[in-house]
Amino acid sequence: DQQVKQNSPSLSVQEGRISILNCDYTNSMFDYFLWYKKYPAEGPTFLISISSIKDKNEDGRFTVFLNKSAKHLSLHIVPSQPGDSAVYFCAASLYSPGNQFYFGTGTSLTVIP
Amino acid sequence: DSGVTQTPKHLITATGQRVTLRCSPRSGDLSVYWYQQSLDQGLQFLIQYYNGEERAKGNILERFSAQQFPDLHSELNLSSLELGDSALYFCASSPRQGGMSEAFFGQGTRLTVV
Repeated sequence: DQQVKQNSPSLSVQEGRISILNCDYTNSMFDYFLWYKKYPAEGPTFLISISSIKDKNEDGRFTVFLNKSAKHLSLHIVPSQPGDSAVYFCAASLYSPGNQFYFGTGTSLTVIP
Repeated sequence: DSGVTQTPKHLITATGQRVTLRCSPRSGDLSVYWYQQSLDQGLQFLIQYYNGEERAKGNILERFSAQQFPDLHSELNLSSLELGDSALYFCASSPRQGGMSEAFFGQGTRLTVV
């Protein structure tokens, strides 16, 4: 049973525009969330995190929003750059900082120059 | 280069066989995590070791086992292989026990069972 879902397998965005990647989860006990970026033939790379005590966390062009009542989080990339083209995974843990994470299936982002 | 080395990169084997996947963590990292990514699936957590001891266990089958050695490298043993075990197996390492946000992943081992 997939506890973390990324319902959009792919997303295309023009360079300079905003990319919004979405993630839904089913377990209300999840307490800590991560986003990873993955290029082909490489392992995932940590991007940004958010704890359930926050509803927003920013790091440069990347912002993660958490809506606990909706069990939904989103990653905003502004402005999008061609180098952002990758597969993005969200992951959730029952506690922070957490050992066991549940990953979504990923969204493939293509930023068009 | 993440500093985490996984060998081999590719492995093709027959059903019923046994294989060993190896992971060398980044220098100084004490935690090693193993994840499985099957086709069209998210990464599934298998197991974590910290400084030689098992710390967390996920959906790891009884046919699978792992260990972390004194030099901190880790091995994932998969036995009685089935077609459904074909997947990308990732190893990640971090300095601390609960440090996935600090973890670096290897490139993965692609296992194909035929």
